[in-house]
Amino acid sequence: DTGVSQNPRHKITKRGQNVTFRCDPISEHNRLYWYRQTLGQGPEFLTYFQNEAQLEKSRLLSDRFSAERPKGSFSTLEIQRTEQGDSAMYLCASSFGQSNQPQHFGDGTRLSIL
Amino acid sequence: AQSVTQLGSHVSVSEGALVLLRCNYSSSVPPYLFWYVQYPNQGLQLLLKYTSAATLVKGINGFEAEFKKSETSFHLTKPSAHMSDAAEYFCAVGLLTGGGNKLTFGTGTQLKVEL
Repeated sequence: DTGVSQNPRHKITKRGQNVTFRCDPISEHNRLYWYRQTLGQGPEFLTYFQNEAQLEKSRLLSDRFSAERPKGSFSTLEIQRTEQGDSAMYLCASSFGQSNQPQHFGDGTRLSIL
Repeated sequence: AQSVTQLGSHVSVSEGALVLLRCNYSSSVPPYLFWYVQYPNQGLQLLLKYTSAATLVKGINGFEAEFKKSETSFHLTKPSAHMSDAAEYFCAVGLLTGGGNKLTFGTGTQLKVEL
């Protein structure tokens, strides 16, 4: 059990650029979640995958955001035409078994928009 | 709709003193409740969970929490604080949806431990 891995750990980009983050969940975890955390706040749910199917998306996830989990293993989160308000920590979590089982979080990707 | 309220954004205790971090929840269905801890520039680590079994839940690092339905509370306690407990603590309530568990977090409580 190597834990949830997220890359990169930090990303600095100019406003208007596209960015992509990667999440590798714990092996055999079938559920994968993305959250966003801004300074001084708790994480907010963005989207959820069960295997390769994206089953729920938050209204926070605007059209500029897209997430994929093509083979039911790793996932990517892409933000197009980044804006200042996208600056945040993006957290990935995974879980296995019954849906009420706790989620295991990665260390996150911190995005800074210049 | 679900929500979590954490009273006290900052709590300061002396080393060896009791730690009490407050969490109240609102849920339209029987809740799944969690406490997570976050150290600077890291993700969240699970401390403990309540999933409708025993109301007193024991977690890692000596922490425990008691589910009180009548008070809609799930306060986190530790009998004796240690310097290494200094971190941010988040209470979360889970909503089962589409086969998953969407967590709603409180705004967090920063715990400071003083000598």
